[in-house]
Amino acid sequence: QQQVKQSPQSLIVQKGGISIINCAYENTAFDYFPWYQQFPGKGPALLIAIRPDVSEKKEGRFTISFNKSAKQFSLHIMDSQPGDSATYFCAASTGSARQLTFGSGTQLTVLP
Amino acid sequence: DVKVTQSSRYLVKRTGEKVFLECVQDMDHENMFWYRQDPGLGLRLIYFSYDVKMKEKGDIPEGYSVSREKKERFSLILESASTNQTSMYLCASSFQGSDYGYTFGSGTRLTVV
Repeated sequence: QQQVKQSPQSLIVQKGGISIINCAYENTAFDYFPWYQQFPGKGPALLIAIRPDVSEKKEGRFTISFNKSAKQFSLHIMDSQPGDSATYFCAASTGSARQLTFGSGTQLTVLP
Repeated sequence: DVKVTQSSRYLVKRTGEKVFLECVQDMDHENMFWYRQDPGLGLRLIYFSYDVKMKEKGDIPEGYSVSREKKERFSLILESASTNQTSMYLCASSFQGSDYGYTFGSGTRLTVV
């Protein structure tokens, strides 16, 4: 069963545009929601994260919006750049080891 | 530079072979994890460990086992490799009880023929 559903599977955006990736979760025990960025040949790296008591978090050009009642959260990349081209994963964690459940990933391509 | 090191970048094994994937971290992290990454499926948790000699099943443990004899090392074992275990395997580590995020290795691309 997929506890975190991510869309779209792929996204093409022009340089300077806004990239939006959406995720929805089912397990109400999740209490931490990070986004990871993965470049080809590399492991994923933490990009930004949010807790459910906050509706929005912004770090530079990256913003997470969180809707607890709808059990949805999204990543917005403002002024998208070709260097942002990567695969993005949303995730959610719970448990003593903070084990993460990942979404299926979104391959973002930013055209120059 | 802190890191998670996976012993092999690429590995080709035959069906039925016993396969060992090794992972070492130098950050004194308590937690270690093994995920497999497949297109369209994201990262799926196989096993994790929160202490030496302790292990917990993840979402897809069938066909795998793990070993953690030392804090810095976490091994994934495929007892009898099958073609459906062809995948990218990612190791990660983190501090106990923290949300500082995982540190991932670069992955091992395993092909079972």
